[in-house]
Amino acid sequence: DIQMTQSPSSLSASLGDRVTITCRASQTIRTYLNWYQQKPGKAPELLIYETSHLQSGAPSRFSGSGFGTDFTLTINNLQPDDYATYHCQQTYASPPTFGQGTRLHVK
Amino acid sequence: QVQLQESGPGLVRPSETLSLTCMVSGGSISLGGYYWGWVRQSPGKGLEWIGYIYYSGEVFYSPSLKSRLIISGDKSKNQVSLRLTSVTAADTAVYFCARTEVGASSPTDTWGQGILVTVSS
Repeated sequence: DIQMTQSPSSLSASLGDRVTITCRASQTIRTYLNWYQQKPGKAPELLIYETSHLQSGAPSRFSGSGFGTDFTLTINNLQPDDYATYHCQQTYASPPTFGQGTRLHVK
Repeated sequence: QVQLQESGPGLVRPSETLSLTCMVSGGSISLGGYYWGWVRQSPGKGLEWIGYIYYSGEVFYSPSLKSRLIISGDKSKNQVSLRLTSVTAADTAVYFCARTEVGASSPTDTWGQGILVTVSS
């Protein structure tokens, strides 16, 4: 299975900050990388698909980039609703696998 | 808008079979374009893909669960089911029903609210 490693595991930030979360794959996954946002007690929600495509309804302050093994989720101008856990997922090879998650909390 | 609703027992005894059902509304499992399946999340842990089924009946399973797992679809009821046999405490998790788009990066774009299943005697 392809291993996905997110860093950091936990991150504190203030409103208005720019936040970057990294996801690294154990082998190339080209651009087959998705990002999800999950709030406590809720299901994940798709945020970005295929590395950089913003899901319909997701705020434009979210963006994604990368190729191969290294990927980044960036949040500009952090808003109260953004405090959550973020998961990356590769779908290049079966089984699809997720990172361990990055918890973004208030500084 | 597609909605997914999981149902089933919240407590399962060790060595027994975990059975869950996902009712799909606002969409059809009889049409192509999406996989219908399951993802789980153990308490305080990350997400784990379990498997999914396509409208054709083709199923895709996690290798680590394949020997204990059956995912099936009932087109007449528009629902998807999961059966996991010989469960242990390691199968305790929130189980999410999920719709995954067929395509380049196969994103999972719709999730049920999740159902907590505890394996305990």
